[in-house]
Amino acid sequence: EAQVTQNPRYLITVTGKKLTVTCSQNMNHEYMSWYRQDPGLGLRQIYYSMNVEVTDKGDVPEGYKVSRKEKRNFPLILESPSPNQTSLYFCASSPYSGGANYNEQFFGPGTRLTVL
Amino acid sequence: LAKTTQPISMDSYEGQEVNITCSHNNIATNDYITWYQQFPSQGPRFIIQGYKTKVTNEVASLFIPADRKSSTLSLPRVSLSDTAVYYCLVVTNNAGNMLTFGGGTRLMVKP
Repeated sequence: EAQVTQNPRYLITVTGKKLTVTCSQNMNHEYMSWYRQDPGLGLRQIYYSMNVEVTDKGDVPEGYKVSRKEKRNFPLILESPSPNQTSLYFCASSPYSGGANYNEQFFGPGTRLTVL
Repeated sequence: LAKTTQPISMDSYEGQEVNITCSHNNIATNDYITWYQQFPSQGPRFIIQGYKTKVTNEVASLFIPADRKSSTLSLPRVSLSDTAVYYCLVVTNNAGNMLTFGGGTRLMVKP
């Protein structure tokens, strides 16, 4: 089944304790992205990657890191989490073509993170 | 990025047709209009995309007038399972495939 998977789905942690949320897709998509969703603020893009070893900042990159060493994986790293990073996180992928047509993005199930 | 405006919420009844209108006055020539659906605690799901005139798929229709400053998502004969938040987005392909989600329209379908 074609899908985007995220792990863990739920995580409660404490301030300053490094964590990684994994994201994997099995559709051979070039493009992957991370979003966070907060009440009243909608979904905001954190980082995106157009291909292996190519990443760039989205709207709200502060406090986050990403890496794209393999095409299928795009982990989100919080080196020193803070309470304001408590949020619902979504990973997405799409077959970015670089051409004129927009490609739909496929979203993962979400990771609910609480930082105490 | 073109900003979108859509109603905060709408109510409907099962079996009715629902039309959700979105305005995007500052849409640019190379922008596409895209709609996503999101159920609680799930990731958004792509519904439909268009550039101009009318687009139809198995789920919905999208109507875009000639000036492209607005668009209407039409859901035929809604059911309870169509209760969700619907997002209208204007997407520029050269903007890193960035999706800017607004507040969306919360559709409540009643029996």
